[in-house]
Amino acid sequence: GAVVSQHPSRVICKSGTSVKIECRSLDFQATTMFWYRQFPKKSLMLMATSNEGSKATYEQGVEKDKFLINHASLTLSTLTVTSAHPEDSSFYICSARDLQITGELFFGEGSRLTVL
Amino acid sequence: ELKVEQNPLFLSMQEGKNYTIYCNYSTTSDRLYWYRQDPGKSLESLFVLLSNGAVKQEGRLMASLDTKARLSTLHITAAVHDLSATYFCAVGRNNNDMRFGAGTRLTVKP
Repeated sequence: GAVVSQHPSRVICKSGTSVKIECRSLDFQATTMFWYRQFPKKSLMLMATSNEGSKATYEQGVEKDKFLINHASLTLSTLTVTSAHPEDSSFYICSARDLQITGELFFGEGSRLTVL
Repeated sequence: ELKVEQNPLFLSMQEGKNYTIYCNYSTTSDRLYWYRQDPGKSLESLFVLLSNGAVKQEGRLMASLDTKARLSTLHITAAVHDLSATYFCAVGRNNNDMRFGAGTRLTVKP
């Protein structure tokens, strides 16, 4: 199946700093990628839809200025958590759809962010 | 708004037993997914169900979809410890993303 890679897998940062997470589709092109957030023992919550070459679409309640999304190419989307606070600590997962394979989304390995 | 309800949320099974996880959803969709998640890991795709009556099987797991009832099931046959994980169903939306159920945390005991 298609491969989606996320980096870094784990990051620890101090409050007030910004952290960038990358999501790459390694063997296919993805015009659309999705960013999810998962709290411990909870389900995945869609944060935003990342569209190549245009602005991301954010879900209700997600701060656009806090979670900056850039989708500059067909294989890369980035999520930047700006001015991170401890409440931003979470597991962030991206996904992408391979246009050649009907209906299926492929997920990255996830990035665990801990803000001290 | 699309809502996805999964039950049970917690399931403790003895090895060798059978059980079914249910996934109900509120609006029409033609894509239903089942994923497995191990602690600290991302999602592993198990099944993609695209049509009414679709049934797929892989090992001890079998998934089915009834679009008229807006119901999917994940049946576990003769459970083994390696199946212990959290299982999510997810329903596709028009803009190609998906809504997830709350997850079923399965523990298989010897």
